[in-house]
Amino acid sequence: QKEVEQNSGPLSVPEGAIASLNCTYSDRGSQSFFWYRQYSGKSPELIMFIYSNGDKEDGRFTAQLNKASQYVSLLIRDSQPSDSATYLCAVNGNNFNKFYFGSGTKLNVKP
Amino acid sequence: DAGVIQSPRHEVTEMGQEVTLRCKPISGHDYLFWYRQTMMRGLELLIYFNNNVPIDDSGMPEDRFSAKMPNASFSTLKIQPSEPRDSAVYFCASSSAGGIGNTIYFGEGSWLTVV
Repeated sequence: QKEVEQNSGPLSVPEGAIASLNCTYSDRGSQSFFWYRQYSGKSPELIMFIYSNGDKEDGRFTAQLNKASQYVSLLIRDSQPSDSATYLCAVNGNNFNKFYFGSGTKLNVKP
Repeated sequence: DAGVIQSPRHEVTEMGQEVTLRCKPISGHDYLFWYRQTMMRGLELLIYFNNNVPIDDSGMPEDRFSAKMPNASFSTLKIQPSEPRDSAVYFCASSSAGGIGNTIYFGEGSWLTVV
């Protein structure tokens, strides 16, 4: 079982809609949870992280964490074509320094 | 601030040749990571260092792969001999020591093609 699971997609949404990306993880000891965005041919770049149950908002992005269900999600409001990318979920473990990545969900935002 | 710097950006080599990938982490970061990314397997952690010491190399696929970090500002990932299945993007990343919310930052990657 992989440490972090994501639906590979592609997830297609129209411009202006809310995109919902989901991730599950296997290690209950995971402490912090990250969302990275990766454009084609580029390196992953950090969008935001969350470590407490509930929601955390940053601009058009909201991360949601449910540790009991071992589930983390990313909502993108008012999706733009420029949001089209692969979104990687990552978690780190008890020592905070080993990061596991999911395989990513490809998002297409159609104009 | 300069980010993580990797070289070469692109390399095409023949099967059996030695490949050396290089990385300069962000100054002041205590942790350095080597990841490999392929379509089939996604982003895999190969090895990571703390203060120049290898901490976990369980992701290194086989003995053909080796990594070193001779000082705080330089690391290498070597493949000898290279095989076509090693074709992938190799990312170096670094992070500072810390607790919750400690994040890692990626270099631009080294795109390796073994023919």
